[in-house]
Amino acid sequence: QSALTQPASVSGSPGQSITISCTGTSSDVGGYNSVSWYQQLPGKAPKLMIYDVSKRPSGVSNRFSGSKSGNTASLTISGLQAEDEADYYCCSYAGSSTFEVFGGGTKLTVL
Amino acid sequence: EVQLVQSGAEVKKPGESLKISCKGSGYSFSSYWIGWVRQMPGKGLEWMGIIYPGDSDTRYSPSFQGQVTISADKSISTAYLQWSSLKASDTALYYCARRDGRYYDYWGQGTLVTVSS
Repeated sequence: QSALTQPASVSGSPGQSITISCTGTSSDVGGYNSVSWYQQLPGKAPKLMIYDVSKRPSGVSNRFSGSKSGNTASLTISGLQAEDEADYYCCSYAGSSTFEVFGGGTKLTVL
Repeated sequence: EVQLVQSGAEVKKPGESLKISCKGSGYSFSSYWIGWVRQMPGKGLEWMGIIYPGDSDTRYSPSFQGQVTISADKSISTAYLQWSSLKASDTALYYCARRDGRYYDYWGQGTLVTVSS
């Protein structure tokens, strides 16, 4: 099972919007509406930000949104804030044998 | 309040065995899968495997099959990750996380495992 492909880094200025892509295959991202996104602040455990492609857990800002087209999922953060600077990981269900696969992670820098 | 509390940091020598733990509270431990995730120093998250404490159904990533063993004791709401013979390349931060549906909603604080001679 190969890791999902994410850009190594993205950056944006406060107030701008950025999008992080997550590319897989028809066996994972494209095959199920089961993509989740996690934010990892330095020295902290990952935090669920988006699940089932586009749903937000209670307490997560509506500046975070998710979508999917074919084998590629995307996380969009609008109105960038300094506190959004973190590593972001996508994760997709990949079937009943191995369950989940993560992306390689994207470092978001707020300029 | 749902919590996953992991055991403390470990320093081991190559060839030694190790078992780390993840204790759940605030929910029905038997009813949710618990996954394990590795994060090597400065690297990304890697899905290792998962267990359903209710019946101990266990699945592994091909990358970790045969390298680690995942188990659980539902009577004490605890999941485990163990190695029979550690290698230096096992040095990493290990997280447990509760799986709800097809996503991980609660995470442990992580257990740092250092393997060095």
